Amino acid sequence: DTAVSQTPKYLVTQMGNDKSIKCEQNLGHDTMYWYKQDSKKFLKIMFSYNNKELIINETVPNRFSPKSPDKAHLNLHINSLELGDSAVYFCASSQGRDPTDTQYFGPGTRLTVL
Amino acid sequence: EDQVTQSPEALRLQEGESSSLNCSYTVSGLRGLFWYRQDPGKGPEFLFTLYSAGEEKEKERLKATLTKKESFLHITAPKPEDSATYLCAVQAVGSNYKLTFGKGTLLTVNP
Repeated sequence: DTAVSQTPKYLVTQMGNDKSIKCEQNLGHDTMYWYKQDSKKFLKIMFSYNNKELIINETVPNRFSPKSPDKAHLNLHINSLELGDSAVYFCASSQGRDPTDTQYFGPGTRLTVL
Repeated sequence: EDQVTQSPEALRLQEGESSSLNCSYTVSGLRGLFWYRQDPGKGPEFLFTLYSAGEEKEKERLKATLTKKESFLHITAPKPEDSATYLCAVQAVGSNYKLTFGKGTLLTVNP
């Protein structure tokens, strides 16, 4: 069983389009995250939800909007895609009872904007 | 602002040749320091969490240590399957659940 899963694994799209990435965790965790890993492999936090409440919202363009329909799912919607949005996006989850709880990462979604 | 610097950027070892990776950090107050391993095309895989200076943790050929300014990941007698990018991250007091990552060290172990 995959603990943290993401769909799709690859996403190729044109500039200006709107796209969504889905994330699901079956670990029973309360906290979920979205990270962006750029071409230089630098991994940076974007958003985090704890029990469906937004707790981290880094300096990210408002074209990016996370949505958490329930504790097990955290989706990322991106409007008006730009070339600079090309990156690998990782979802992660943690138990959420303590900030230092281990974060478990999904396999990533490679987004390519043409 | 929290900062994490990892060195070297890349390291090539022969199988069995022990070495260490460095992670230097600057935070207002450290809540935890984390080591992850990332294989190509995959998500980071958790290795260790260290909480205070002097703490050490071991797993197979890996040993992580922590001081007030840096952490080391010691690799003893590495094997080719240890080849990966090793990521260090810190969590600062008051940063909620946020992890700040370094850029990683790409380790290649040749047979």
